[in-house]
Amino acid sequence: DGGITQSPKYLFRKEGQNVTLSCEQNLNHDAMYWYRQDPGQGLRLIYYSQIVNDFQKGDIAEGYSVSREKKESFPLTVTSAQKNPTAFYLCASERWGLEAFFGQGTRLTVV
Amino acid sequence: AQSVTQPDIHITVSEGASLELRCNYSYGATPYLFWYVQSPGQGLQLLLKYFSGDTLVQGIKGFEAEFKRSQSSFNLRKPSVHWSDAAEYFCAPPTSGTYKYIFGTGTRLKVLA
Repeated sequence: DGGITQSPKYLFRKEGQNVTLSCEQNLNHDAMYWYRQDPGQGLRLIYYSQIVNDFQKGDIAEGYSVSREKKESFPLTVTSAQKNPTAFYLCASERWGLEAFFGQGTRLTVV
Repeated sequence: AQSVTQPDIHITVSEGASLELRCNYSYGATPYLFWYVQSPGQGLQLLLKYFSGDTLVQGIKGFEAEFKRSQSSFNLRKPSVHWSDAAEYFCAPPTSGTYKYIFGTGTRLKVLA
């Protein structure tokens, strides 16, 4: 079955560490997105990519980085520059102009 | 600006009661619109979608939504709510292309036994 997979489900980061969240899709979608979700704030766009080897910053890109070397994969790195990384992170993919498909999310906690 | 608005942040209903969640849009002559549901700790799942044609759209889990151009609305409804419907609901356009949509706060539904 086609779908979008995020891993890991839970991730713990020490202060000053970089961590990478994985997002893989086998839906053959061109567009992929990363959102951050905090309680009471809905989903906020971190980065998006509409095609391989190209990506754009969303509203809260500071402290994050991404790559899009393959159509199927859009990993997100939370760098040490992100001062408040504890949140729920959602990856999504979309066939152009249609509905989005979401992964099950990764909950990142700073320890 | 192109956007959708969900006026209600929290809604509480009793199990078995009817439900209506409001969504207003401000873009496009014939907008594409979606409703998603998010259970706690999970990703978002598509409930239903509107592209064109019939203004009453049926979705999964017994939900429906009605597109009203005159009111710029796309409200979600369910005749009888079940306890398992407690979740957060998001109304949204497509995220790609000219929309570059950022999801709003959604509407959190609480169901009383």
